[in-house]
Amino acid sequence: GESVGLHLPTLSVQEGDNSIINCAYSNSASDYFIWYKQESGKGPQFIIDIRSNMDKRQGQRVTVLLNKTVKHLSLQIAATQPGDSAVYFCAEGYNNAGNMLTFGGGTRLMVKP
Amino acid sequence: GAGVSQSPRYKVAKRGQDVALRCDPISGHVSLFWYQQALGQGPEFLTYFQNEAQLDKSGLPSDRFFAERPEGSVSTLKIQRTQQEDSAVYLCASSPNRENQPQHFGDGTRLSIL
Repeated sequence: GESVGLHLPTLSVQEGDNSIINCAYSNSASDYFIWYKQESGKGPQFIIDIRSNMDKRQGQRVTVLLNKTVKHLSLQIAATQPGDSAVYFCAEGYNNAGNMLTFGGGTRLMVKP
Repeated sequence: GAGVSQSPRYKVAKRGQDVALRCDPISGHVSLFWYQQALGQGPEFLTYFQNEAQLDKSGLPSDRFFAERPEGSVSTLKIQRTQQEDSAVYLCASSPNRENQPQHFGDGTRLSIL
């Protein structure tokens, strides 16, 4: 299928290393943040989310960190695998998860075997 | 269970033609969203439904774009008199509209206007 994100910032990591993908959000009123993974030809796939009353949330091999002071969000992937290769988008919303999301520009993660 | 289903997966139309894109949300999901994704960019919000009510259509780029969800389930995004700049992937997402429930996306319809 056609590639997603032909001119996106790219992070290249070795298989087994940890990955950190960063995102700056724009709206200080946002209270909900979410990371999606998008593979070529597919829709965004939910990874993990966090509300603004938290600064860290962990999932399986993934951790999201939120710094509201500088409006920064990061996604940490432990022991990165080739299947993690994709484009990663952060998104912000407010009020609750039922409202629209505003997406960032995306980062391409390439995992070298 | 089934995820969000979109059809067709690919649509090619000539400039000036009308197109209709379909979204079947996850069963029971109250909220339904349409996004437009240009190549190399993140999705951009178009419109939002809660059940059959269209609560926000602020992202629709022109009055050629129209969306409906008459029975609160399946939704259709219609684009009239298509133009080349309408070429993009159109993504549909649904969510239960409860707190801490993320939006789940379909695989989109890739629209190409010749």
